[in-house]
Amino acid sequence: AQKITQTQPGMFVQEKEAVTLDCTYDTSDQSYGLFWYKQPSSGEMIFLIYQGSYDEQNATEGRYSLNFQKARKSANLVISASQLGDSAMYFCAMRGIIQGAQKLVFGQGTRLTINP
Amino acid sequence: DTGVSQDPRHKITKRGQNVTFRCDPISEHNRLYWYRQTLGQGPEFLTYFQNEAQLEKSRLLSDRFSAERPKGSFSTLEIQRTEQGDSAMYLCASSLRRGEKLFFGSGTQLSVL
Repeated sequence: AQKITQTQPGMFVQEKEAVTLDCTYDTSDQSYGLFWYKQPSSGEMIFLIYQGSYDEQNATEGRYSLNFQKARKSANLVISASQLGDSAMYFCAMRGIIQGAQKLVFGQGTRLTINP
Repeated sequence: DTGVSQDPRHKITKRGQNVTFRCDPISEHNRLYWYRQTLGQGPEFLTYFQNEAQLEKSRLLSDRFSAERPKGSFSTLEIQRTEQGDSAMYLCASSLRRGEKLFFGSGTQLSVL
């Protein structure tokens, strides 16, 4: 079984600061993928970034980067130069690439609030 | 690419009534997923279709729930004899290939009174 743990229910950050959202995972799969999604108040889940378990380099997408530490089973999201529009719920998720490849398993999320 | 669309956006119903939600995935996507999200929680997987075949169902999908994708395009999720515990956001997602990221719709918010 796969499990995602996000230990920060809420984070408050000043605009333009960097923020790290924590995510740890548990799986018995050798191959898996890790995802981060953003959910604004409108409800839609917006894909941010993906990291494969065999990727040697940390994924980056614009202001988003994923700090992947495989031995520690962590996949933290780093947002640089935060903006007011970054205020939202953020979910970490994983998916087995071989087994259980049909569904994403999500964590409980972190509510990020950017203060002006 | 018009994205994943869901209808209705909001549904209020009385306990015991039946409700049906519709999802239109991105047109070329053959994989379609339903998730349920309760307040303060992450989305939970309900079921998965590849084309018209329903290939996986969660234990969360009780016998009051049924999902169809008759022509491999749009999908419907029906809840019979609704209960207050069914109140949640029902999210639909689609993807093109195995293992790829999912594209989500804005969801249908169900309130059972």
